[in-house]
Amino acid sequence: GDSVTQMEGPVTLSEEAFLTINCTYTATGYPSLFWYVQYPGEGLQLLLKATKADDKGSNKGFEATYRKETTSFHLEKGSVQVSDSAVYFCAPLSGGSNYKLTFGKGTLLTVNP
Amino acid sequence: NAGVTQTPKFQVLKTGQSMTLQCAQDMNHNSMYWYRQDPGMGLRLIYYSASEGTTDKGEVPNGYNVSRLNKREFSLRLESAAPSQTSVYFCASSESGHRDEKLFFGSGTQLSVL
Repeated sequence: GDSVTQMEGPVTLSEEAFLTINCTYTATGYPSLFWYVQYPGEGLQLLLKATKADDKGSNKGFEATYRKETTSFHLEKGSVQVSDSAVYFCAPLSGGSNYKLTFGKGTLLTVNP
Repeated sequence: NAGVTQTPKFQVLKTGQSMTLQCAQDMNHNSMYWYRQDPGMGLRLIYYSASEGTTDKGEVPNGYNVSRLNKREFSLRLESAAPSQTSVYFCASSESGHRDEKLFFGSGTQLSVL
């Protein structure tokens, strides 16, 4: 099945700092790649996705590029806000996992004013 | 805008007790899922239902049973709760389980087994 190695947290940043959360994966074939976000007390929601090599997913100022050669899908944001404080999950989806998402362990981000 | 609704939000059980977690979605989705979330473990798939009338085991099915009651509802049952089942449980749904689809999650059930 698929597997994900995600940057260990917690990550603490000041408002307007640059954010990178690293994610590498192993998967069968050609996976789709997702980032989900979980705000405090809520379920997960899709943040962005990419479905083929060199695609860039983007949403709410976050970006991630599908790098097939390095099997990576790192999440970045140029200027974080307090409202970005959440847990972020990287997840590949491939036939090797019967098209069921395999989530990373999550990275807790705290942004201070 | 109900989306995926889970009940209850919180539950405390004693070891050996049974209970059922309820989940319903109003988006006419075919596929539904149960995950558990434990500190440092991410989310792990317990069971899923690709369509009404079908269920399959996920990564951690032991100690659980599920029922896809109809297209809307997918319940998770703990027959004899154990402390190892203390976790946050999330139900999710997707249109048809295809590779590009996103999952919609409920807000979770926090379960403690004493």
